Amino acid sequence: DAGITQSPRYKITETGRQVTLMCHQTWSHSYMFWYRQDLGHGLRLIYYSAAADITDKGEVPDGYVVSRSKTENFPLTLESATRSQTSVYFCASSEIGRTGNMNTEAFFGQGTRLTVV
Amino acid sequence: AQRVTQPEKLLSVFKGAPVELKCNYSYSGSPELFWYVQYSRQRLQLLLRHISRESIKGFTADLNKGETSFHLKKPFAQEEDSAMYYCALSGQVGWYGNKLVFGAGTILRVKS
Repeated sequence: DAGITQSPRYKITETGRQVTLMCHQTWSHSYMFWYRQDLGHGLRLIYYSAAADITDKGEVPDGYVVSRSKTENFPLTLESATRSQTSVYFCASSEIGRTGNMNTEAFFGQGTRLTVV
Repeated sequence: AQRVTQPEKLLSVFKGAPVELKCNYSYSGSPELFWYVQYSRQRLQLLLRHISRESIKGFTADLNKGETSFHLKKPFAQEEDSAMYYCALSGQVGWYGNKLVFGAGTILRVKS
């Protein structure tokens, strides 16, 4: 299916375990993003990537690792999950606009609800 | 640094009343600003962007660089406007590309 998909949709894991959230897009968009959505904080950027093998930290990167070996995939790994990482995680993709700025629409996945117990 | 502030967590209005969702930003360069909306059980989606200067679903937003604001307005609220609204900012492309950062969001509740 065309679009951007996240897997799994729901995940329960134990404190200290490693867990990877997957994100796949079919448009070959240059940009990909990971956000977490928490009540009172809105959407906070964890990591972003401007192209394959180019990634950078967002606002709340601690405890997370990303990679982007292929343009279409942008997995997010929690190296040792903590209860504070219980959240809804959203992946998004976008393209660079004609001016070189990122002024085009970002498309979001359906989200992954992660619970760390 | 890029920062977006949405001061209201919840805005509750009656159907037919005007709506203004506030958004202020902090960015030293020329920003690109957006409003995204998340309806119940739907994906987050773009509502409008300042570069397009368009009206979507009756909503408009004007970039005010002097006040560093990008408030979302609608003259007559409808019940189907009830949703979570996020203001977002993207700056100029840098070495690592650029971030797209969001505010904390405002829940709009339109009462009948």
